[in-house]
Amino acid sequence: NAGVTQTPKFQVLKTGQSMTLQCAQDMNHNSMYWYRQDPGMGLRLIYYSASEGTTDKGEVPNGYNVSRLNKREFSLRLESAAPSQTSVYFCASSGALSAYNSPLHFGNGTRLTVT
Amino acid sequence: KNEVEQSPQNLTAQEGEFITINCSYSVGISALHWLQQHPGGGIVSLFMLSSGKKKHGRLIATINIQEKHSSLHITASHPRDSAVYICAVRPLSGGGADGLTFGKGTHLIIQP
Repeated sequence: NAGVTQTPKFQVLKTGQSMTLQCAQDMNHNSMYWYRQDPGMGLRLIYYSASEGTTDKGEVPNGYNVSRLNKREFSLRLESAAPSQTSVYFCASSGALSAYNSPLHFGNGTRLTVT
Repeated sequence: KNEVEQSPQNLTAQEGEFITINCSYSVGISALHWLQQHPGGGIVSLFMLSSGKKKHGRLIATINIQEKHSSLHITASHPRDSAVYICAVRPLSGGGADGLTFGKGTHLIIQP
């Protein structure tokens, strides 16, 4: 079972460059999430999608855009990368409209460095 | 604002020891998650609970809703249990778009 597949695993960008992080899940989940994880801080939600065609801002959305292309795929785009976006990014999915009654399934993470 | 505090932040123990990791939160919640993050970075959901106790293998999670406190116990700890353990709660009201507030994690090292 693939679960949640996230690519790439590592990426180095220069300030101002753009990139898209890809995420796909094969569990027929409705909800998908993008988080960032920084040293000394808990996971923070960037964007969230409750279903195909809908997206909502999370705690730290500035500098990011997302696309819920279909039920399986949820991508995160950095249009003009900044050093403050150096972080580890996780995609996750759950079967419910929120994490209320459904566990989260995480991808393996993308370690992004912006120089 | 809901705060999720985990203790200890770091824990080093010997193989075989009984491990307890604590999670306290400040508002009423509807669910609490325990997650495990391996040294390689992947995150796995261990438990989701809203009352009582759950057990899976050597792992036990308990929650006391009145005390706003949860514990994760590991019996007969093993070096492969070395990981960061993360607590996350869903407040009854408020919370983020995903409904979750995450703790900063407890870094556990089990030495052989």
